[in-house]
Amino acid sequence: GNSVTQMEGPVTLSEEAFLTINCTYTATGYPSLFWYVQYPGEGLQLLLKATKADDKGSNKGFEATYRKETTSFHLEKGSVQVSDSAVYFCALNNAGKSTFGDGTTLTVKP
Amino acid sequence: DAGVIQSPRHEVTEMGQEVTLRCKPISGHDYLFWYRQTMMRGLELLIYFNNNVPIDDSGMPEDRFSAKMPNASFSTLKIQPSEPRDSAVYFCASSFHYTGRANYGYTFGSGTRLTVV
Repeated sequence: GNSVTQMEGPVTLSEEAFLTINCTYTATGYPSLFWYVQYPGEGLQLLLKATKADDKGSNKGFEATYRKETTSFHLEKGSVQVSDSAVYFCALNNAGKSTFGDGTTLTVKP
Repeated sequence: DAGVIQSPRHEVTEMGQEVTLRCKPISGHDYLFWYRQTMMRGLELLIYFNNNVPIDDSGMPEDRFSAKMPNASFSTLKIQPSEPRDSAVYFCASSFHYTGRANYGYTFGSGTRLTVV
């Protein structure tokens, strides 16, 4: 079956620090991969996506590369801001249905 | 595009009452999902529809929960009777899936925060 394992949180960083949140997956076929972000009191929002191996998704300074050989899709940002504090979910989609990781809470301190 | 619209945003009800949550998906999307989110259990998929047909309801906790999608632009999730343990944030999400090709992600609504007292 399909599964997503992401780095346990919470993660606390200082402003301008480098961020990595690890995500690995198990899936049949060729899934699409996603990162979603959830700010307090809101729904999940699509942050970035990659639909095939070696694709790099990017948005708002965040990046993740679809690595088929390591079945990974790690989220990175070079310099985090206080406004990046949120919960981040890694997900894969196979045949229309997504499987989500458990979420990683990021807190960025000034 | 107004996105996925859920109503109400907040609902407080007494144990034993019927609760109906509503969702309007994005026009043209062919998949609709209902999720429940709590601190203890995280994000749980309750049921999903494809072209208005329920595909998998294995996540529905028990017979007190039911969901319908009478047309492409509307879905409801009903809890009858409600219990305090149903207190959670309920999200609706919609998506378009290109058969045999990539999926481009879900659009979530803002959620309904349900409190059963």
